[in-house]
Amino acid sequence: AQSVTQLDSQVPVFEEAPVELRCNYSSSVSVYLFWYVQYPNQGLQLLLKYLSGSTLVKGINGFEAEFNKSQTSFHLRKPSVHISDTAEYFCAVSLSTGAGSYQLTFGKGTKLSVIP
Amino acid sequence: DSGVTQTPKHLITATGQRVTLRCSPRSGDLSVYWYQQSLDQGLQFLIQYYNGEERAKGNILERFSAQQFPDLHSELNLSSLELGDSALYFCASSPGGGYGYTFGSGTRLTVV
Repeated sequence: AQSVTQLDSQVPVFEEAPVELRCNYSSSVSVYLFWYVQYPNQGLQLLLKYLSGSTLVKGINGFEAEFNKSQTSFHLRKPSVHISDTAEYFCAVSLSTGAGSYQLTFGKGTKLSVIP
Repeated sequence: DSGVTQTPKHLITATGQRVTLRCSPRSGDLSVYWYQQSLDQGLQFLIQYYNGEERAKGNILERFSAQQFPDLHSELNLSSLELGDSALYFCASSPGGGYGYTFGSGTRLTVV
């Protein structure tokens, strides 16, 4: 079974500082990887995704993530955070369950708090 | 607007009652997924439908059921509700292939 581990449940960071949110997954086969953001009292918004090709993926709002197959990681980074980045971030893995079906499994989330 | 519509946005009901949550997928998407988000369990996959057929089941209770209709909208039925069923229920749609999922804004269910 696949699983997704987000290593930090909460990450406080000062405004304009860099941030890295860590994500590791377990799967013996190829997967698709995603990062979603959830602002307070809102739904899930796609930040970026890795399907294939370049291991460095750029997303919205200045975020990027790097896929590392050997370490089964997909860490999210931003060089300079803003107050508006305060939200919960979810890493997710999409894996085939057979017969053309896919299942998206989420990590438990990391709450990013940007401190003025 | 993500293109995935969920109704109602908020629902307050009493224990023991039955409710129906509705999801209209993004135009062209054949797959619908249901997720439950609670403080203690995080985002849990409940069930998936593809073009009217059930394709995968996750941590869905026997008191819960779902279906996808010919027009591709889906309904999640929750019965004999308990306080612990209070959560945010998300629907997502996908064209298939596992490479793209679009989420609705969710239905917040409060059981009192």
